[in-house]
Amino acid sequence: QKEVEQDPGPLSVPEGAIVSLNCTYSNSAFQYFMWYRQYSRKGPELLMYTYSSGNKEDGRFTAQVDKSSKYISLFIRDSQPSDSATYLCAMRGFYNQGGKLIFGQGTELSVKP
Amino acid sequence: DTEVTQTPKHLVMGMTNKKSLKCEQHMGHRAMYWYKQKAKKPPELMFVYSYEKLSINESVPSRFSPECPNSSLLNLHLHALQPEDSALYLCASSQDSPSGRAGEQYFGPGTRLTVT
Repeated sequence: QKEVEQDPGPLSVPEGAIVSLNCTYSNSAFQYFMWYRQYSRKGPELLMYTYSSGNKEDGRFTAQVDKSSKYISLFIRDSQPSDSATYLCAMRGFYNQGGKLIFGQGTELSVKP
Repeated sequence: DTEVTQTPKHLVMGMTNKKSLKCEQHMGHRAMYWYKQKAKKPPELMFVYSYEKLSINESVPSRFSPECPNSSLLNLHLHALQPEDSALYLCASSQDSPSGRAGEQYFGPGTRLTVT
């Protein structure tokens, strides 16, 4: 079993839809949770960074962490064609030498005009 | 500014060539990373430098040789690569502390390497 599970998709939605992306994990030591967006043939771009459980909002993006269920989500409101990309969840422990990240497999999202 | 720069953007090299990838950041970060990414896969950690010292080597073959000349620069020297080493090579950086409580990790745009 992988430490972090993420549905690879592809996920296709119409423009304006609310998108829900999710990851589950098995290691209860994970404390920091990240979402990255990666366009084709580009480097990952950090979207959200959260510590422990709770919600964080930034514009159209909301990240949720539920440590009791070992489940994290990223919601995208009013999705746009420019949101079409691969979304990677990543996480790490509190005292983690060098900040090694454990990634999910990535979910490919397509937003249709 | 959260920019990590990488050069070159693209590199084609033969199996007998020697080349280097370069990475630079000016965010004052003291941890720098090299990742390898294959198509439709997540980034795979290769090396971590913390305060200019190699702290993690994920059992990477010796044909990849990292170097951290100073706190802003990271190099990856390549020699006698194989076609299966063709991939996107990503550099990243983050804050670090002696206790290892690294902050957010920011990635560069990557170097697309093709080995012929």
